[in-house]
Amino acid sequence: AQSVAQPEDQVNVAEGNPLTVKCTYSVSGNPYLFWYVQYPNRGLQFLLKYITGDNLVKGSYGFEAEFNKSQTSFHLKKPSALVSDSALYFCAVRDAGNTPLVFGKGTRLSVIA
Amino acid sequence: DVKVTQSSRYLVKRTGEKVFLECVQDMDHENMFWYRQDPGLGLRLIYFSYDVKMKEKGDIPEGYSVSREKKERFSLILESASTNQTSMYLCASGLGTGGRKLFFGSGTQLSVL
Repeated sequence: AQSVAQPEDQVNVAEGNPLTVKCTYSVSGNPYLFWYVQYPNRGLQFLLKYITGDNLVKGSYGFEAEFNKSQTSFHLKKPSALVSDSALYFCAVRDAGNTPLVFGKGTRLSVIA
Repeated sequence: DVKVTQSSRYLVKRTGEKVFLECVQDMDHENMFWYRQDPGLGLRLIYFSYDVKMKEKGDIPEGYSVSREKKERFSLILESASTNQTSMYLCASGLGTGGRKLFFGSGTQLSVL
């Protein structure tokens, strides 16, 4: 069965600094990996996904994620954080079969001005 | 844009009541899902459906049932609400599996008193 771990409940970063939100996964076979963001009192919004190919995936709002097969990781990154990036971030994984997405517990990102 | 609409943003019910949470999507998606979101636990899958009149149990189906009579509508039913079902409920829909992303509704915050 697939699983996702987000080791940090909270990440704090100063505005303008680079940010990283960590995610590791476990899945049989090749993974499909996703990042979603949730702003207060809203549903989840899709940020980016990795299916195959280039290990660096670019997504919405200047975010990118790096797929590392040997470390089974898919960390979310942004070169320069904005206060408006403050939100709850979820990593999710699915295998190649007909299975639903499995989500991590979420990481709360706080960007301080 | 894809729209996933959940009928209520906030709902307050009494213990023992039968509760219906409605979800409608407007993009002819085959797949629909119900998750519940709790602080520190992330998103947990309750039930999902890959076709009309089809349903599958997720990770935490106890105390819940679902109905999918039409492709666009997926209802979550709490047969006899209990206080431990107080939570944020998120509906999602999507096309196919694998690398296809999910679209989420805004959520229903249910309080059972």
